[in-house]
Amino acid sequence: TQLLEQSPQFLSIQEGENLTVYCNSSSVFSSLQWYRQEPGEGPVLLVTVVTGGEVKKLKRLTFQFGDARKDSSLHITAAQPGDTGLYLCAGPLDGNKLVFGAGTILRVKS
Amino acid sequence: DARVTQTPRHKVTEMGQEVTMRCQPILGHNTVFWYRQTMMQGLELLAYFRNRAPLDDSGMPKDRFSAEMPDATLATLKIQPSEPRDSAVYFCASALTGYEQYFGPGTRLTVT
Repeated sequence: TQLLEQSPQFLSIQEGENLTVYCNSSSVFSSLQWYRQEPGEGPVLLVTVVTGGEVKKLKRLTFQFGDARKDSSLHITAAQPGDTGLYLCAGPLDGNKLVFGAGTILRVKS
Repeated sequence: DARVTQTPRHKVTEMGQEVTMRCQPILGHNTVFWYRQTMMQGLELLAYFRNRAPLDDSGMPKDRFSAEMPDATLATLKIQPSEPRDSAVYFCASALTGYEQYFGPGTRLTVT
């Protein structure tokens, strides 16, 4: 059982559509991070959310941290082919370790 | 611009051979992580170091894997002997403080 459950596993949409991906846990996290990984590359940190209820925007990406700090969502407005990739959420464990969810594979078709 | 580098990017080897993967963390970062990524298991932490000292290697098969940091600019992950089930992408990441990790491009290992 994954400590962080991500859904959906796969998402294939047309350019211009909106989408939301989710990261859920039964545990409380002090913060959650979102990474994007493109084929053949390592994950790249997009954002860290640290306060329950926090909303952060990064251009067309909106990240939200749940009030109880057990879940997070990533909403993309008007998706573009450049948004294609694997989206991973991660939460801190002790000693600077991170635990990662299994990820959501997003494909945006032009 | 500062980034984590890994060599080799791709490695194909036969079962039983030794494999050594290298990582150069971002200059000044004091924490280095080794991860393995597969379709089935996702991204798994194998080991990590702080100030070159190993802090946790509980995710690593001890009988065949070893990780070291000979100096602050080099981390190595060695597999001896390699097995087909070790085929995966191996990532190195470094961090300075907190939990913000910077990943290298990975080494894609295929063991036949």
